[in-house]
Amino acid sequence: GNSVTQMEGPVTLSEEAFLTINCTYTATGYPSLFWYVQYPGEGLQLLLKATKADDKGSNKGFEATYRKETTSFHLEKGSVQVSDSAVYFCALISGSARQLTFGSGTQLTVLP
Amino acid sequence: GAGVSQSPSNKVTEKGKDVELRCDPISGHTALYWYRQRLGQGLEFLIYFQGNSAPDKSGLPSDRFSAERTGESVSTLTIQRTQQEDSAVYLCASSLSPAGGGTEAFFGQGTRLTVV
Repeated sequence: GNSVTQMEGPVTLSEEAFLTINCTYTATGYPSLFWYVQYPGEGLQLLLKATKADDKGSNKGFEATYRKETTSFHLEKGSVQVSDSAVYFCALISGSARQLTFGSGTQLTVLP
Repeated sequence: GAGVSQSPSNKVTEKGKDVELRCDPISGHTALYWYRQRLGQGLEFLIYFQGNSAPDKSGLPSDRFSAERTGESVSTLTIQRTQQEDSAVYLCASSLSPAGGGTEAFFGQGTRLTVV
């Protein structure tokens, strides 16, 4: 079956630090990959996505590259801001499944 | 409405009672999903509705859980005889068509259920 393994949290960084949140997956077929973000008090929002191998998704300074050879979709940002503090979820959808499979989430706190 | 709306936002109930959670999807969205998020864990798929097709109930954890949706409108998730392990945030999402590829799923803010 499909599964997503995400870097354990919580992660605490200083403003302007480099961020990496690791995500690896197991899936049948060729999945589409997603990062969702949940800001405090808000619902989950799609941050970025990639639908085929070697695609790079990007949004708000965040990037993630679909690496089929390593079954990974690591999230990166070169310089985090306090406003990036949130919970980040890696997810996939694959094969005939119509539901997203999520990782356990990573809490990010950025200190000024 | 502008987004997916869920009610109530918080619910505290006594063990053994039934609860009903409501989800108003974005107008025109044919696909609707329910997920459960236990503290410190990822989202657990519960059930999926697509138009008038038979729902995918493969994620429902027990026969105490059921959900309904009429057409492409409101959905209700019912938990009968609640147990303490049912305490979680219940999230609803909708999308224009089945999620995946270029189709984005939009999430509500969830209902936080506490069973005491």
